[in-house]
Amino acid sequence: AQSVTQLGSHVSVSEGALVLLRCNYSSSVPPYLFWYVQYPNQGLQLLLKYTTGATLVKGINGFEAEFKKSETSFHLTKPSAHMSDAAEYFCAVRIPGDYKLSFGAGTTVTVRA
Amino acid sequence: ETGVTQTPRHLVMGMTNKKSLKCEQHLGHNAMYWYKQSAKKPLELMFVYSLEERVENNSVPSRFSPECPNSSHLFLHLHTLQPEDSALYLCASSQDSGTGSYEQYFGPGTRLTVT
Repeated sequence: AQSVTQLGSHVSVSEGALVLLRCNYSSSVPPYLFWYVQYPNQGLQLLLKYTTGATLVKGINGFEAEFKKSETSFHLTKPSAHMSDAAEYFCAVRIPGDYKLSFGAGTTVTVRA
Repeated sequence: ETGVTQTPRHLVMGMTNKKSLKCEQHLGHNAMYWYKQSAKKPLELMFVYSLEERVENNSVPSRFSPECPNSSHLFLHLHTLQPEDSALYLCASSQDSGTGSYEQYFGPGTRLTVT
């Protein structure tokens, strides 16, 4: 079985500051890892994914994440926050060959002007 | 239309009503999913269809009944719901081929309120 833990249900950052969202996973086999973003009254949008290969993954809107197997982590970062980054972010894990995508509880990001 | 669409976007129904949620994907995918998103709870996978056959049903109450007539359409039929069923219902699709990363693409959701 696989699971995801997102540390911090709410993160507040100043515009222009670093955004860091933490995600740790548990999986019996090397997993696929995803970050999704959800804006108010909308569905989930894929930000980036890790399957195999390069452990630093770049996504849309200036976000990137690094897969660290030794730490079972997949933290999401953005060097400079923008007001439009205010949303809820979900980390998710999937075992190759399985349909089930397990989500974390989500982290709400607010951006201060 | 592009991506994954869902109708209606908002639905208010009484506990004795029968209604249906509709999902359509325009991505040529072969798998579709229903999720329930409640406040302060992780997304819950309800049903999975692959090649129009149900492959997973996560112990969902029988008052929720899915239907997948073809690979582009997915329905969720609702009857005699309870107030705790009020939530955002999300549809997703993916292309599963034995290889690849199986990322799922989500629709905007239907906000359901049971009164």
